Amino acid sequence: QVRLQESGPGLVKPSQTLSLTCIVSGGSISTASYDWSWIRQLPGKGLEWIGYIYYRGTTEYNPSLKSRVAISIDTSKNQFSLNLTSVTAADTALYFCARGGLGGLGGRGTIWGQGTQAIVSS
Amino acid sequence: DIEMSQSPSTLSASVGDRVTITCGASQSVSNWLAWYQQKPGKAPKLLIYKASSSESGVPSRFSGSGFETDFTLTINSLQPDDFATYYCQQYHDYPWTFGQGTKVEIK
Repeated sequence: QVRLQESGPGLVKPSQTLSLTCIVSGGSISTASYDWSWIRQLPGKGLEWIGYIYYRGTTEYNPSLKSRVAISIDTSKNQFSLNLTSVTAADTALYFCARGGLGGLGGRGTIWGQGTQAIVSS
Repeated sequence: DIEMSQSPSTLSASVGDRVTITCGASQSVSNWLAWYQQKPGKAPKLLIYKASSSESGVPSRFSGSGFETDFTLTINSLQPDDFATYYCQQYHDYPWTFGQGTKVEIK
């Protein structure tokens, strides 16, 4: 059974870079069938898709964050990562990684990690 | 961006009730529409994909319908485990977007 586990620093200072990693277990990240996404849940608000990456490195980002986001993949470690630069308090959120199913996030086989809280504060 | 709107925002219901949640898209998403269930502190769980197809392992009391801009999630005979927040999400166009959520509370 595929599982995803996020990890990260928890607390980041304003203007710094938030770096999160998602470790995939129980299955290979090197498959053409799925994409690998980051999503965040802002406090008291809904869900915002940040972007995804395919195992060959192709990415797609939300235009609202595109100038500050980079998603990378390490197939040798079966993990993918998120870098969000120049963070502010508005980036404080619960960050999820997910495997998109057939057709993308929301398709058959979509699985989410449990999420990791990131707080931006000095 | 395609805007997704759900109604109601909060719904009070009793065990055994039939519950209906609606989701509207600001433009057609064909049937590229998913429904999730989220409990506090937990990851969203996929219930329905392609508007009306049930994900493996999801109880049959959950069903979805709709096409293009108007969608519905129905829970037949609400169970105690179903009290949660439900989200719709379109994956027709980038950026993929979510509804604001519907919280199903105990009446």
